[in-house]
Amino acid sequence: DTAVSQTPKYLVTQMGNDKSIKCEQNLGHDTMYWYKQDSKKFLKIMFSYNNKELIINETVPNRFSPKSPDKAHLNLHINSLELGDSAVYFCASSQDAGPRSSPLHFGNGTRLTVT
Amino acid sequence: AQSVTQLDSQVPVFEEAPVELRCNYSSSVSVYLFWYVQYPNQGLQLLLKYLSGSTLVESINGFEAEFNKSQTSFHLRKPSVHISDTAEYFCAVSRSGYSTLTFGKGTMLLVSP
Repeated sequence: DTAVSQTPKYLVTQMGNDKSIKCEQNLGHDTMYWYKQDSKKFLKIMFSYNNKELIINETVPNRFSPKSPDKAHLNLHINSLELGDSAVYFCASSQDAGPRSSPLHFGNGTRLTVT
Repeated sequence: AQSVTQLDSQVPVFEEAPVELRCNYSSSVSVYLFWYVQYPNQGLQLLLKYLSGSTLVESINGFEAEFNKSQTSFHLRKPSVHISDTAEYFCAVSRSGYSTLTFGKGTMLLVSP
């Protein structure tokens, strides 16, 4: 069983569209994350949720809206997609939000291409 | 705020040669340090971590890293690399008080025969 699963794996869409990426973890973890990996492989935290509550919200455009219906799921909705949103988006989870709570378990990523 | 610097974007080595991937961090508080590995088209996997105790930590596949507080470094080493070690390696530091990680820009390890 995949511990952290993301769908879809690939997403190709046009500028201006709205799209969602889904993430589910079956590890019983309390904390989930969205990371963005750009074309130069740089990984940056976008959001972190702990028990469905937002605890980290980096300077991400408000076109990006995460939603956590329960602690096993963290979805990412993106409105009015732009070329610069093209990247690989990784979902991750950890036991809790404490600093010793690693490792983070990562999904295999969603490659978003905006044309 | 914490930050991580990986000076080498790419490190080419021959199989069975030793390798060191450099990582330096900056933080005004105690940190927890990690190395993750990313194989092509996959997510990141934890390689090893330093939380406390012995400053030398080891992974199951022969990698080791040493936490050096005075030099604010956490370099990754392996005495003899394999072709299968070819991957992107990320150093990371935990954000103070949280499990959220700040990553370096990664180092691509290229092992050739």
